Amino acid sequence: GEDVEQSLFLSVREGDSSVINCTYTDSSSTYLYWYKQEPGAGLQLLTYIFSNMDMKQDQRLTVLLNKKDKHLSLRIADTQTGDSAIYFCAESFTGGGNKLTFGTGTQLKVEL
Amino acid sequence: NAGVTQTPKFRVLKTGQSMTLLCAQDMNHEYMYWYRQDPGMGLRLIHYSVGEGTTAKGEVPDGYNVSRLKKQNFLLGLESAAPSQTSVYFCASSVTGEQYFGPGTRLTVT
Repeated sequence: GEDVEQSLFLSVREGDSSVINCTYTDSSSTYLYWYKQEPGAGLQLLTYIFSNMDMKQDQRLTVLLNKKDKHLSLRIADTQTGDSAIYFCAESFTGGGNKLTFGTGTQLKVEL
Repeated sequence: NAGVTQTPKFRVLKTGQSMTLLCAQDMNHEYMYWYRQDPGMGLRLIHYSVGEGTTAKGEVPDGYNVSRLKKQNFLLGLESAAPSQTSVYFCASSVTGEQYFGPGTRLTVT
């Protein structure tokens, strides 16, 4: 089966950049996603990248994909206290109900 | 446009009791999903549906049943609740790969 791994915690200072990493084992994924979960809420899509791309930038967010190493990262520039949340990477596949396999989530804490 | 809604928001059950969680979406999405979220384990897929009248098993289906009688609703049932089913349950819907999530139901089984 598929395995998606993330480190559990990351702490950064306000204004610094945050980099959240994700590794996956199945190379047949078509899209890779980053979701954000604030306390007591559901998951909200932040951004996604198609598997034939190696980088995508969206305002403060930069996604890097290294297919050879099966490594995905999310960089948040100028991190703010409002960015404190749990971040999940997820991979999807063509067919089969558009299912997603989620990573374990990374708790980002932004300190003043 | 409410998106994905879930009822109830919280529930406490005793071991052996049954209950049904309701998920509703107003986006006319074909696909719907039920996940459970446990600390340190991310989200795990319980069951999913690719259209009205269809259901399929996900990663952790044991102890749960689902029904999709109407396109906009996806019901998750627990016939005989167990403490191991204490969790936060999320419903999601999609038309492409992007999934839209409900706010979750926190279930405690004592």
